[in-house]
Amino acid sequence: EPEVTQTPSHQVTQMGQEVILRCVPISNHLYFYWYRQILGQKVEFLVSFYNNEISEKSEIFDDQFSVERPDGSNFTLKIRSTKLEDSAMYFCASSEFRNQPQHFGDGTRLSIL
Amino acid sequence: KNEVEQSPQNLTAQEGEFITINCSYSVGISALHWLQQHPGGGIVSLFMLSSGKKKHGRLIATINIQEKHSSLHITASHPRDSAVYICAAGGGADGLTFGKGTHLIIQP
Repeated sequence: EPEVTQTPSHQVTQMGQEVILRCVPISNHLYFYWYRQILGQKVEFLVSFYNNEISEKSEIFDDQFSVERPDGSNFTLKIRSTKLEDSAMYFCASSEFRNQPQHFGDGTRLSIL
Repeated sequence: KNEVEQSPQNLTAQEGEFITINCSYSVGISALHWLQQHPGGGIVSLFMLSSGKKKHGRLIATINIQEKHSSLHITASHPRDSAVYICAAGGGADGLTFGKGTHLIIQP
């Protein structure tokens, strides 16, 4: 069964450094999402992406965040200047159409030192 | 902004018991999702429903749109059902709003 893949599984970065989290959505899916989960807290929506542009973003998704689909398969989340509070599990998800189930990757655990 | 509440937060039961997890949301939605998160962190979609009832194996999900309430039921529970079950509201191009999850432990 096709799946969403995320790399790396764990990223350790110094505060202030830039980090790029990578995702390969399911190939025929059109909608892409990033979520984060701070340890012990609920999952939170960051951003959705459709037709090569952001569809919706939450108040968490400020100017230090950006998303890109650099080629036909990858979907990336960039954090420009990381802060300690960016430490979290980041999940990528994709869905075939609007109002369809979202398929999640296994997540990237980001640790900011 | 939608608020999603789940109950109970924690549930421990014996193998074979019938399990019910409840979810309520504050704003009308296009769809309600039930997800399962295992200790390693991975999230699996169990159901997406906008009306009525869906069944998959021992899992049943129901939704009452008028009351803004959904339930997830597990029949003949098994230790492998132990996980965090999460209710999430929304869908489409809009991101999901998640509940805090229900930590379920099924003891043999």
